[in-house]
Amino acid sequence: DIQMTQSPSSLSASVGDRVTITCQASQDISNYLNWYQQKPGKAPKLLIYDASNLETGVPSRFSGSGSGTDFTFTISSLQPEDIATYYCQQYDNLSITFGQGTRLEIK
Amino acid sequence: QVQLQESGPGLVKPSQTLSLTCTVSGGSISSGDYYWSWIRQPPGKGLEWIGYIYYSGSTYYNPSLKSRVTISVDTSKNQFSLKLSSVTAADTAVYYCARAGLRSGAVNYWGQGTLVTVSS
Repeated sequence: DIQMTQSPSSLSASVGDRVTITCQASQDISNYLNWYQQKPGKAPKLLIYDASNLETGVPSRFSGSGSGTDFTFTISSLQPEDIATYYCQQYDNLSITFGQGTRLEIK
Repeated sequence: QVQLQESGPGLVKPSQTLSLTCTVSGGSISSGDYYWSWIRQPPGKGLEWIGYIYYSGSTYYNPSLKSRVTISVDTSKNQFSLKLSSVTAADTAVYYCARAGLRSGAVNYWGQGTLVTVSS
């Protein structure tokens, strides 16, 4: 099974800050890496698919990069509505694994 | 606009079988472009993929749950279902049904989730 190591587990930042979250796969997953945002009491929302593609309707301040085993998710300028937990998710050999999540808070 | 809705008991006794159904509207489960998925989230914890089914009936399960999970599909009702046997308190979670793309595995439609509590 492919394991996903996501870091940090929590993060405190100010409005307007650049925020970065990383995800590392235990083996090469090419670009089969997706990123989600989850707000309390809600289902997750897809933000980025195939490592770097912005889902329709998602603000351009969100971006993703990487391939192989190392991936990065970035919010270029943190907004108050971005407070949520973020998850990476890999898809390889018909199996799905999520990262442990990063809880993002406003400083 | 595709919508998914989970239904089933919110309380299950230990050792019994958890059963949930997901009804899909706004799109056909037989479209062939998606995997129909179950994902769960224990209270205060992260997301765990349970498994998914293709409209043809092919299934893929999380190895850690495989011995207890059965996912089935009823294309005539545009529904798919989850059965999880021999449940314990560790299976208490919000259960989501969802749609995942065949190629990317990206889950772009989710149900609202239903809390299932395992307790006597």
